[in-house]
Amino acid sequence: ETGVTQTPRHLVMGMTNKKSLKCEQHLGHNAMYWYKQSAKKPLELMFVYNFKEQTENNSVPSRFSPECPNSSHLFLHLHTLQPEDSALYLCASSQEGGNNQPQHFGDGTRLSIL
Amino acid sequence: QQQVKQSPQSLIVQKGGISIINCAYENTAFDYFPWYQQFPGKGPALLIAIRPDVSEKKEGRFTISFNKSAKQFSLHIMDSQPGDSATYFCAAQIVGGASKIIFGSGTRLSIRP
Repeated sequence: ETGVTQTPRHLVMGMTNKKSLKCEQHLGHNAMYWYKQSAKKPLELMFVYNFKEQTENNSVPSRFSPECPNSSHLFLHLHTLQPEDSALYLCASSQEGGNNQPQHFGDGTRLSIL
Repeated sequence: QQQVKQSPQSLIVQKGGISIINCAYENTAFDYFPWYQQFPGKGPALLIAIRPDVSEKKEGRFTISFNKSAKQFSLHIMDSQPGDSATYFCAAQIVGGASKIIFGSGTRLSIRP
């Protein structure tokens, strides 16, 4: 596989469930990101990991918990979500540490909260 | 300061016409300006990007025009084709560290055959 792979592609869960989103990048990049994409709103950066270390948390509620065990994998653990959390969650990766490098996105997980 | 304003929100262009999408930013620290193209069910994909030391960059039918003094940049799609129908996002990125990138709100482009 190449690029950035996200699983599952679709997820429906109740507000009391616990689930995890997975992202894997095969590009050899050292930075990974979680974004939230809602209708008619700009992409919202949630978390940034650089060399497995979290470098940014954009005031994301604690019901979202990221995990980056290595430079190729990124998880987003979800618990006690709210209906307004329904959105497309995108993972991206990039190569940091030099000239600006573009971010490469996965195709996202469509999350629906019942 | 951190916003990137994008317009229009939606755009309909006849096949063969020129599609133009505009973006404006405030923060002069931004020094990399990519455009992303997103098809339904897919993640955004890099289309073309520019650094502020040049005023124009062209790749095939896609051109970025950049006005540093006005803090504005635009995407021009020449000879627009139905396959160009997608949502386009401009972005502004700050050099250094893990990329600080701010996205515009997107433009939904439809090309009529």
